[in-house]
Amino acid sequence: NAGVTQTPKFQVLKTGQSMTLQCAQDMNHEYMSWYRQDPGMGLRLIHYSVGAGITDQGEVPNGYNVSRSTTEDFPLRLLSAAPSQTSVYFCASSYSRGLAGFEQFFGPGTRLTVL
Amino acid sequence: AQSVTQLDSQVPVFEEAPVELRCNYSSSVSVYLFWYVQYPNQGLQLLLKYLSGSTLVKGINGFEAEFNKSQTSFHLRKPSVHISDTAEYFCAVRANSNYQLIWGAGTKLIIKP
Repeated sequence: NAGVTQTPKFQVLKTGQSMTLQCAQDMNHEYMSWYRQDPGMGLRLIHYSVGAGITDQGEVPNGYNVSRSTTEDFPLRLLSAAPSQTSVYFCASSYSRGLAGFEQFFGPGTRLTVL
Repeated sequence: AQSVTQLDSQVPVFEEAPVELRCNYSSSVSVYLFWYVQYPNQGLQLLLKYLSGSTLVKGINGFEAEFNKSQTSFHLRKPSVHISDTAEYFCAVRANSNYQLIWGAGTKLIIKP
């Protein structure tokens, strides 16, 4: 049981480049989400999904796209990278029903630098 | 809307001393409360959670927290810290009506030898 996996671990982009951060989970969780973590700001929700084919925006969605074609995968796309998107990105998943749905499991993160 | 305030950005404490990390929240609806820990260069893992029942919640690594509804607080405590507790601790709140977690800004626990 690998839990939540993220690739790559590190990435450096130039302004204007695009890329996709990968996230996968093998726990059959319905709910998946992407956060960015910046110093002194805690975690901010970018996008989330409550099941395959269903996505919605979080607190800071601008400049990012997501899709959820399968239960397991939830990639995050940066359309045209900007220095303001330099951050650490975390993917998380959880069940969505009942009390068991309240614990989110996190991936190890992707450290992104945009020059 | 919910919000979470962690009053201290850093808490330095001597090894084997007790520690309290403070968390206050605001919400107009019932909430569920969480503490997560992030060790250096790692992801976050759940330390403990309050969903219902006893207001004193015990978690991993000897930590506990008490839910105080009248004070809207969920402070984290440990009676004796170790160097291995060096990490950043995040308090989070989730309303019982939606999926999203609202996060505090985090508190760095610095253990002095």
